[in-house]
Amino acid sequence: DAGVIQSPRHEVTEMGQEVTLRCKPISGHNSLFWYRQTMMRGLELLIYFNNNVPIDDSGMPEDRFSAKMPNASFSTLKIQPSEPRDSAVYFCASSRLDSGNTIYFGEGSWLTVV
Amino acid sequence: AQSVTQPDIHITVSEGASLELRCNYSYGATPYLFWYVQSPGQGLQLLLKYFSGDTLVQGIKGFEAEFKRSQSSFNLRKPSVHWSDAAEYFCAVGEGDSSYKLIFGSGTRLLVRP
Repeated sequence: DAGVIQSPRHEVTEMGQEVTLRCKPISGHNSLFWYRQTMMRGLELLIYFNNNVPIDDSGMPEDRFSAKMPNASFSTLKIQPSEPRDSAVYFCASSRLDSGNTIYFGEGSWLTVV
Repeated sequence: AQSVTQPDIHITVSEGASLELRCNYSYGATPYLFWYVQSPGQGLQLLLKYFSGDTLVQGIKGFEAEFKRSQSSFNLRKPSVHWSDAAEYFCAVGEGDSSYKLIFGSGTRLLVRP
């Protein structure tokens, strides 16, 4: 089975530009998570969707960040405008609530804002 | 607030030696506990988890962990380390009574000497 698929794997962008990160969860999973990993703050949960509905977005850092899940097989995390401090690895993860809550992570999108 | 502490930033062991990675958590009730491994440039892979029951949990790749309520610990062990185990290891706890909103420790990087 395919795992969680993220794109792009790497992105370098200039400050002020819009960045869109994409995620395809594992088929059949009904929960989707966006995490951010930085050296300073480690791994942080940004937002959590269940059945395509945002349940907990308390980790979204500010209004420049937005996430959507238009259907069960696709989600986006958008940063507009991007800033250098947004440079991080962004992980998408998915889970099926009746599977013992094992959360499966994608390989991450490595974002550098210059 | 809940927290997870991994006191060792780096650990170096010789191939074939035993390994123990420390993890301490703060939470009043019985927590959901996890260990994940991250290889360079990769996402996180679940090694094992503890929800309830037997306090000694077996995971993949020959790893095990023991939940000790009296010490608020969930240390990861492996009897004989292989060079391929070199990676970063993260302990995580479910926030509150959640098994999906994970609070991660800062990670322990394992180096394996040939």
